[in-house]
Amino acid sequence: EIVLTQSPGTLSLSPGERATLSCRASQSVRSSYLAWYQQKPGQAPRLLMYGASSRATGIPDRFGGSGSGTEFTLTINRLEPEDFAVYFCQQYGDSPGTFGGGTRVEI
Amino acid sequence: QVHLQESGPGLVKPSETLSLTCTVSGASFTNYYWSWIRQPAGKGLEWIGRVFYTGITHYNPSLKSRVTMSMDTSKNQVSLKLTSVSAADTAVYYCARTPPIPGVVATLLDSWGQGALVTVSS
Repeated sequence: EIVLTQSPGTLSLSPGERATLSCRASQSVRSSYLAWYQQKPGQAPRLLMYGASSRATGIPDRFGGSGSGTEFTLTINRLEPEDFAVYFCQQYGDSPGTFGGGTRVEI
Repeated sequence: QVHLQESGPGLVKPSETLSLTCTVSGASFTNYYWSWIRQPAGKGLEWIGRVFYTGITHYNPSLKSRVTMSMDTSKNQVSLKLTSVSAADTAVYYCARTPPIPGVVATLLDSWGQGALVTVSS
């Protein structure tokens, strides 16, 4: 199965700053079938991005995704207070779908 | 807007069977796969498997020998059964909607339930 490694484990930033999160795959991700999810304490994950760079419905444009092959990035421009959460990447093109260990974005 | 709600016992004894149900509303039940995912407290996410209304299933090989998923289209419900549980199966269990992608056993999760905590303990 494809192993996803996220870095850094924790990102300490302030509102208004930019967050850059990395997701590295142990082998090439088919057709950039790479998704990002946001999870807040006590809540289910929420889909942010799919296809590496497409925003899910209702996701603000300060969220952006890029990458292909084995290297992917989630960028959050101008952090808002509600963006402080844990972010997971997932490859969904090869079964079983696998997740990275997560990056916590904290104030 | 799709809504998913997990339900089932919150406590299961070791070696017994964990059974959960996901009730879906607000979505075309037969146009999507429906997945189960779990998350131990403070840890990451693990995809368990997915099921289509035709009965087609795909399971994570790590759990395949213990997992059964099925759907009841008359009730818009998806069920999960996990046999021979141990403390390692203690987790929040989520159901989620998975859009089909032709030719791919895809596991994208575009809508999630709130999750159900299941504790395995005697």
